[in-house]
Amino acid sequence: AQKITQTQPGMFVQEKEAVTLDCTYDTSDQSYGLFWYKQPSSGEMIFLIYQGSYDEQNATEGRYSLNFQKARKSANLVISASQLGDSAMYFCAMSYYGGATNKLIFGTGTLLAVQP
Amino acid sequence: DVKVTQSSRYLVKRTGEKVFLECVQDMDHENMFWYRQDPGLGLRLIYFSYDVKMKEKGDIPEGYSVSREKKERFSLILESASTNQTSMYLCATHPRSSYNEQFFGPGTRLTVL
Repeated sequence: AQKITQTQPGMFVQEKEAVTLDCTYDTSDQSYGLFWYKQPSSGEMIFLIYQGSYDEQNATEGRYSLNFQKARKSANLVISASQLGDSAMYFCAMSYYGGATNKLIFGTGTLLAVQP
Repeated sequence: DVKVTQSSRYLVKRTGEKVFLECVQDMDHENMFWYRQDPGLGLRLIYFSYDVKMKEKGDIPEGYSVSREKKERFSLILESASTNQTSMYLCATHPRSSYNEQFFGPGTRLTVL
């Protein structure tokens, strides 16, 4: 069965510093995708970044990068130069084929607080 | 611009009431999903639909049903609301056969008293 683990319930980071949010996953599938979403206090889920299991290079999107270590089954999110607006809940998710379509399984989330 | 809308942002209902949560998308996506989000538990899949009138149970379907009569609309139904169904409900859509991200609606925060 698929599983996503986020072991950091909450974190603090100083503005302008980099921060790493941890995510490990478990699957026996060879083909899967890894996602990070941001959820501000307003509640909407904002897609940040995607990494395919066959992608050899780590994904990057602006200040976000995904540190993909396949052998260790980890997919950590790195946010460079943190901003106050980065304060939010962050969810790691993995896609898998279940039944009729691709589905997502989510971790429990990490609440990030950026301090001025 | 992609758009997923949900019928209410906040909803308060009484125990035993029948509750309808609606989700509408304008992206012509085949797949639609209903999740509930609870603190410390992340998002959990309730039901999903991969085509009109087609549905499958997710991980926590008990106490819920769904309806998809049109491609753009996916409804979550609580037949007899209970206090343990107080939660944030999120709808999402996804094109078939794609590894792209799911697109989420703004969420409905349901309180059952």
